[in-house]
Amino acid sequence: KQEVTQIPAALSVPEGENLVLNCSFTDSAIYNLQWFRQDPGKGLTSLLLIQSSQREQTSGRLNASLDKSSGRSTLYIAASQPGDSATYLCAVSGGSYIPTFGRGTSLIVHP
Amino acid sequence: KAGVTQTPRYLIKTRGQQVTLSCSPISGHRSVSWYQQTPGQGLQFLFEYFSETQRNKGNFPGRFSGRQFSNSRSEMNVSTLELGDSALYLCASSLGQGPAYEQYFGPGTRLTVT
Repeated sequence: KQEVTQIPAALSVPEGENLVLNCSFTDSAIYNLQWFRQDPGKGLTSLLLIQSSQREQTSGRLNASLDKSSGRSTLYIAASQPGDSATYLCAVSGGSYIPTFGRGTSLIVHP
Repeated sequence: KAGVTQTPRYLIKTRGQQVTLSCSPISGHRSVSWYQQTPGQGLQFLFEYFSETQRNKGNFPGRFSGRQFSNSRSEMNVSTLELGDSALYLCASSLGQGPAYEQYFGPGTRLTVT
């Protein structure tokens, strides 16, 4: 059974810092990994989708990497801003096609 | 293009009642998935519908059911509500079935069972 762990569970940083959020998974037989952000009481917004054949994806200040063999992904946020404050979730989809989500990293960026 | 819409946004029900939640996917999307999010269990997959057929199902009791219509809109039903069913219910749509397709989430329906 796939298990997804996200570290740290919570993070509070001053504006402008570069951040690394971690996601690890136990079964490396995945089709893809997706990073989302969730604002309090809201739905999820897709940030980046990495297919299993890819090593990384970039969108603006965000960069996500994937290392299947070690069961890890990192989300790098450059020059953080208060508007980046949210919970960041990663989800992996494997052979069963059923995505498994981590519990998320709650990020606060203070001015 | 309009995003995924869910109705109602908030709902309060009593134990033992049943509830139906609705999800309208992004135009052109044919797959709809449902998720339950609680502080204790996090985000858990309920089921996925594609072309009016349930394709995948998570580990939830039979009280949770769903269906998809020919226009890809989907409904989720929970019968005999329990206090533990209080949660944010999210639906997501994608162009096709399976993990190759990016999922787009709606704002969710907040269900409170008293």
